[in-house]
Amino acid sequence: DAGITQSPRYKITETGRQVTLMCHQTWSHSYMFWYRQDLGHGLRLIYYSAAADITDKGEVPDGYVVSRSKTENFPLTLESATRSQTSVYFCASRDVYSNQPQHFGDGTRLSIL
Amino acid sequence: EDKVVQSPLSLVVHEGDTVTLNCSYEVTNFRSLLWYKQEKKAPTFLFMLTSSGIEKKSGRLSSILDKKELFSILNITATQTGDSAVYLCAVGSRTSYDKVIFGPGTSLSVIP
Repeated sequence: DAGITQSPRYKITETGRQVTLMCHQTWSHSYMFWYRQDLGHGLRLIYYSAAADITDKGEVPDGYVVSRSKTENFPLTLESATRSQTSVYFCASRDVYSNQPQHFGDGTRLSIL
Repeated sequence: EDKVVQSPLSLVVHEGDTVTLNCSYEVTNFRSLLWYKQEKKAPTFLFMLTSSGIEKKSGRLSSILDKKELFSILNITATQTGDSAVYLCAVGSRTSYDKVIFGPGTSLSVIP
């Protein structure tokens, strides 16, 4: 099925480890986004990408790295995980036209012990 | 600083009740206001509003925007248990990437 898929759905890791969350979309959308969702904060933007090889920081980028070598993939890497990065991570994509809404993946629940 | 405020933050109603969820915003260079429904997983898109006073409707859900007073409401009539979810309000801003600012959400529980 076409859409946006995230993997893994659940991940438990330890502080200091590197972990990569995957996001894949089949719509050929230009824009892709990574959010984290925490109680009391709602959805906060970590990084976004306007096209392949074009990425930029959002509201809370510290401790995260992204890349976008292909239009359909937008992985998010925590280079050295910390407990404060325990969260639910959502990937989203949107067509280039600004009157279109973002569409979200099902999320990755990440726990850092 | 851009912000989106929702009220109430949580709400419990009985099936058949009508509910009104509120969203107010202070966002630079407003472009659009969006409503999403979030159950266990991904937020799913409900409405996008760009013009004041024009109601958008989908079944038992409707929404309207007031750009002068900077708020929107989401109405749900004849609520059902399947309406139980978190309802997110988001505001799009005219930036280089059409930044979207999300509110904290309203958690709605509909009990039989």
